[in-house]
Amino acid sequence: AQSVTQLGSHVSVSEGALVLLRCNYSSSVPPYLFWYVQYPNQGLQLLLKYTSAATLVKGINGFEAEFKKSETSFHLTKPSAHMSDAAEFFCAVSEAQGAQKLVFGQGTRLTINP
Amino acid sequence: EAQVTQNPRYLITVTGKKLTVTCSQNMNHEYMSWYRQDPGLGLRQIYYSMNVEVTDKGDVPEGYKVSRKEKRNFPLILESPSPNQTSLYFCASSSRGETEAFFGQGTRLTVV
Repeated sequence: AQSVTQLGSHVSVSEGALVLLRCNYSSSVPPYLFWYVQYPNQGLQLLLKYTSAATLVKGINGFEAEFKKSETSFHLTKPSAHMSDAAEFFCAVSEAQGAQKLVFGQGTRLTINP
Repeated sequence: EAQVTQNPRYLITVTGKKLTVTCSQNMNHEYMSWYRQDPGLGLRQIYYSMNVEVTDKGDVPEGYKVSRKEKRNFPLILESPSPNQTSLYFCASSSRGETEAFFGQGTRLTVV
């Protein structure tokens, strides 16, 4: 069965600092991996996705993630945090090409300090 | 505008009073799903549907029902809500063969 573990339920960084949100997954087949962001009182928005093409995936708002099969990881990074990046981030995995059955991690709440 | 619309956005109800949360999408997507979001647990899938009249259980289906009579609609039914169903619910839709799911704005349900 597939599963996702996000290390750190809360991450706090200073404005301008590197953002690193960790995600490890388990899957019995080559996975499709996603990062979603949830701003306060809003639904989930897709940040980026890995679908077996390039291992370094660039997303919206300057975020990117690298798929590392040997480490079963898909960590999310952004070189320089902005106040508007404060949100909750979810890593998700799917074993099917369609997104009908996503398995999510526990979520990481990102706080940006001025 | 392409969107997934859930109603209501907020709902407070009492134990045992049947309720329905509606979900509608205007993108002609084949796949639709319901998730619940709880602190520290992320989102967990309740039910999903791969087409009209085709539904299947997700990871936490107990206490919920769904139906898919039309392609655009996928209501979530709680026949006898209990306090442990207090949660934030999301509907999502996606197209067959595509990897992106589109989420509604969420429904915050409180059962007292």
